[in-house]
Order: sequence, then structure tokens, then C-alpha cells
Amino acid sequence: QKEVEQDPGPLSVPEGAIVSLNCTYSNSAFQYFMWYRQYSRKGPELLMYTYSSGNKEDGRFTAQVDKSSKYISLFIRDSQPSDSATYLCAMSPNDYKLSFGAGTTVTVRA
Amino acid sequence: EPEVTQTPSHQVTQMGQEVILRCVPISNHLYFYWYRQILGQKVEFLVSFYNNEISEKSEIFDDQFSVERPDGSNFTLKIRSTKLEDSAMYFCAIEGQGHSGNTIYFGEGSWLTVV
Repeated sequence: QKEVEQDPGPLSVPEGAIVSLNCTYSNSAFQYFMWYRQYSRKGPELLMYTYSSGNKEDGRFTAQVDKSSKYISLFIRDSQPSDSATYLCAMSPNDYKLSFGAGTTVTVRA
Repeated sequence: EPEVTQTPSHQVTQMGQEVILRCVPISNHLYFYWYRQILGQKVEFLVSFYNNEISEKSEIFDDQFSVERPDGSNFTLKIRSTKLEDSAMYFCAIEGQGHSGNTIYFGEGSWLTVV
């Protein structure tokens, strides 16, 4: 079983739709959970950061962590064409040695 | 949000040559990391560096690789005797306090092509 699993997509949605992304993981030691956005040949840009279980909201973005199910989610409301990118989940037991998912490529159609 | 500048943005090198990738954090940081992303694959942890020492390294980070902070500012990754499979994006990262908490922030990356 892979340590972090993420459906690579691609995912295509119309402008204004809710984008729903998720990852599952196997390592119960993971305590820190992040979502990054990455454009082609650019560095990952931090979107959301959550410690342990729970929900976190920041503008149009909501991150959810369910440690009992080893499942994390990212929701993007009112999606815009500028949200088109690859979204990476990442997680860690110690907030620096991150294990990444494969990334989901999202296209928001105008 | 902390900023990290990486140079070069793109380097093409011949197989067997040595390459040095550089990272310059804008403000003072103690923790540095290198990650790599082979085209089409996951971002992978290479090494963490704290207080001028390697604190942890992955299986990928073998004797071919080394890191140092020679002048107290730049943080470098040296790859000796490059191989074709070293072609990848290399990201420097720092730990910093930002809008989303104290976590890892990545530079724009150095794209290495070994021919």
C-alpha cells in the first residue's frame, strides 16, 4: 500500500463549481497535513496547513482531516479559471519530512 | 510568507559532471530542506539541514549528494558525477511562520537536465 494515495485526475469543472480533492494515507504517525498548489515547472505553493484532525477554512478553501479514516480533503468553492493547477496533498509526522501525493490536475473551464 | 530564491532556474549538464544548486532565503532561517521532483512523479524528500549539519536524509540522498551552507547565507546542494536519472526539479525549502502556520515553504525550483 502506498504511503499517500491521491487520484491524479485530471479533473475538469465549470467556473463557479466546487472542486473536491482528497487523499488517503496509511501511516498513522502523520500529524501534519498540507495542501499545496503547483503550476507547471514551479515550486509548490502552500494553500492550507492543518495539525491533527479537524476542519480549517481560509477564504474559498476548506481543508478537512479525518485521522480515524486516514482521509484528508480540500474543497475549493466558487472555482475560477485561475484555480487551474495541480494540487498536491502532503503530510508528515514531524512537520518537515513531507510525504506527498501524486497530485491532482484541475482545470476550471470559463 | 517566507521567500526562497533558487539559482539556477534551469541547468543542462553532461553526464558525469558536478552540479551545484543554490538556495538563498530572504530572511534568517535555521532549518533547510531539499526536495526533488522527477518529471511526472511525486515530490520526494532528500535531506534536512539544521545548525550546519544534516539532521535527516532519505535513501535517495547517497554519497553522490552533499549539502552545505558555506557562507552562512547560501544553502547549496552538490551533485557529483551526475547521471541521467538525476534529471529533475530540485526544490529548496525552509520552515517558516506564515499565514497558514509554521510549516514548509518551497522555492521556485532548479530544473536540472542531465544529457
